[in-house]
Amino acid sequence: DTGVSQDPRHKITKRGQNVTFRCDPISEHNRLYWYRQTLGQGPEFLTYFQNEAQLEKSRLLSDRFSAERPKGSFSTLEIQRTEQGDSAMYLCASSSDRRAGELFFGEGSRLTVL
Amino acid sequence: GENVEQHPSTLSVQEGDSAVIKCTYSDSASNYFPWYKQELGKRPQLIIDIRSNVGEKKDQRIAVTLNKTAKHFSLHITETQPEDSAVYFCAARDADGLTFGKGTHLIIQP
Repeated sequence: DTGVSQDPRHKITKRGQNVTFRCDPISEHNRLYWYRQTLGQGPEFLTYFQNEAQLEKSRLLSDRFSAERPKGSFSTLEIQRTEQGDSAMYLCASSSDRRAGELFFGEGSRLTVL
Repeated sequence: GENVEQHPSTLSVQEGDSAVIKCTYSDSASNYFPWYKQELGKRPQLIIDIRSNVGEKKDQRIAVTLNKTAKHFSLHITETQPEDSAVYFCAARDADGLTFGKGTHLIIQP
């Protein structure tokens, strides 16, 4: 396992369309995080899973956003009815329980909403 | 929730000089403070971290200091090299997870 992988790396979509991103964490990590990063800003926390349980959700995560981790392994982040303001880099990260604060990030999925 | 402030937003230093980036946090319950380096178009990567029971930690040319009373922590890079050019993010962990600063763009002038 070489690290956290995300797919797709780039997505261009029209406003109003739905998009889905996938994250495969490091296999022995049971914690998985989604962050959003815009140009010139630090990563902003969206949501967090411990195994298959979604434990935290940021107020940034509107009802158009939904995340799942059905089997406690990979996760998906879906954005419905995309808006131009959703354009950002969506970063996934994972960590172990023992070193919960040490996040390993994926390369990210860059979303552009036209 | 936690609020992390980071300064400066841009820092330009001569190669070989030292660089210092400072962060403050608001939640006194935060107990873990990592620093991430993000090169252009790349993922953030952890470079050093410090826990609340420690005041200073060093790893070769980089060091981090923590003042829990004042709720601030700093990253120090000595003998800067061109490959140190990147955006650096501080973060603080509270019960809700990691909150990041807005980042410092470090530029190493030849």
